Amino acid sequence: AQTVTQSQPEMSVQEAETVTLSCTYDTSESDYYLFWYKQPPSRQMILVIRQEAYKQQNATENRFSVNFQKAAKSFSLKISDSQLGDAAMYFCAYSNYGQNFVFGPGTRLSVLP
Amino acid sequence: GAGVSQSPSNKVTEKGKDVELRCDPISGHTALYWYRQSLGQGLEFLIYFQGNSAPDKSGLPSDRFSAERTGGSVSTLTIQRTQQEDSAVYLCASSLKLSAVGNTEAFFGQGTRLTVV
Repeated sequence: AQTVTQSQPEMSVQEAETVTLSCTYDTSESDYYLFWYKQPPSRQMILVIRQEAYKQQNATENRFSVNFQKAAKSFSLKISDSQLGDAAMYFCAYSNYGQNFVFGPGTRLSVLP
Repeated sequence: GAGVSQSPSNKVTEKGKDVELRCDPISGHTALYWYRQSLGQGLEFLIYFQGNSAPDKSGLPSDRFSAERTGGSVSTLTIQRTQQEDSAVYLCASSLKLSAVGNTEAFFGQGTRLTVV
């Protein structure tokens, strides 16, 4: 069974600084998707970024980028120029063909003014 | 609707009563998921529906939990004889299955907060 691990229960970052959230996963599949979701206090899960495993190029969405290391099964999220609105729980997730999404335990990010 | 809709938003029930939670997925989405999230915790997978295939029920914690999806659209999660440990936020999500590469990202509803007293 696939598993997703986030080793940082909590992180903090100064406003305008950069922070990296870690994620590792375990799978025997070669084709799959990886995701980062954000959950603010409103509890609405919001997709931040998505990576297809067959793509070598790291995904980027504005201030958010990933470092995808397929061989190491690592998928970290970098947030640049952190803003107060980035404060939330961040979940790393895995999905492959025909199966459900497997989520990590989450990292709570605080942004300090 | 434009997004995944869940009802009710909040539900308080007495221990031992049955509850039904409803999820309206995004129109056209073939996959539907239920997750449970305890306070400050991650998402615990409950059940997964994909088109007309038999659902993946491997995450249901006990036989008090069941779910159905009628007409490939609306889903209802039923918890019988509720216990205090069932108190949590129940999240529903849907996604569009692309035949060649699997599911797109999951779109989530805002969840139902269940409190068993």
